[in-house]
Amino acid sequence: AQSVTQLDSHVSVSEGTPVLLRCNYSSSYSPSLFWYVQHPNKGLQLLLKYTSAATLVKGINGFEAEFKKSETSFHLTKPSAHMSDAAEYFCVVSFQGGKLIFGQGTELSVKP
Amino acid sequence: GAVVSQHPSRVICKSGTSVKIECRSLDFQATTMFWYRQFPKQSLMLMATSNEGSKATYEQGVEKDKFLINHASLTLSTLTVTSAHPEDSSFYICSARDLVAGANTGELFFGEGSRLTVL
Repeated sequence: AQSVTQLDSHVSVSEGTPVLLRCNYSSSYSPSLFWYVQHPNKGLQLLLKYTSAATLVKGINGFEAEFKKSETSFHLTKPSAHMSDAAEYFCVVSFQGGKLIFGQGTELSVKP
Repeated sequence: GAVVSQHPSRVICKSGTSVKIECRSLDFQATTMFWYRQFPKQSLMLMATSNEGSKATYEQGVEKDKFLINHASLTLSTLTVTSAHPEDSSFYICSARDLVAGANTGELFFGEGSRLTVL
């Protein structure tokens, strides 16, 4: 069965420091994996996606994620946090039929 | 990228009334759209899969008579919350997959969401 787990419900960093949001998945098939960001009272915006091409995926706003099959992980990173990065982040797995499975979400806070 | 538009973004209604939320793919066609519900500080919960020209497929525990879904064209799906009650208050989000761009990757494009408040 497919599932996705975000290991931290809340992450707090200082502006200018690195960001690490952790995600582990379980899938019987080769998964497509996504990271989405949601700002308050807004829809979801795609940050990046992994679809069995390069394992290191670069996204928008300086974010990137590395697909590690051996660890079944797809952690999201950014070298230097910005105040505007404060939002909710969702790790998502896609399987047949287009259905998505969402992680629980990680709230990122950025302190000045 | 592909744009999905939801309307209204916010709606307040009285208990017992019905509310319709529209989801439109503005620059692409979508045979399938998905409706999600999101409670505060929680993840998205898939409610139903909307298929153009056929009946929607509802997830377990979602009342199909309560949440009516219509997908009349390749660019429009509607969700009608019938006889709304305060417990239906929530943030509803739709998504759609571009037949061309998203077909092989599973990527979905999301609307901005609709905040429903039932008094």
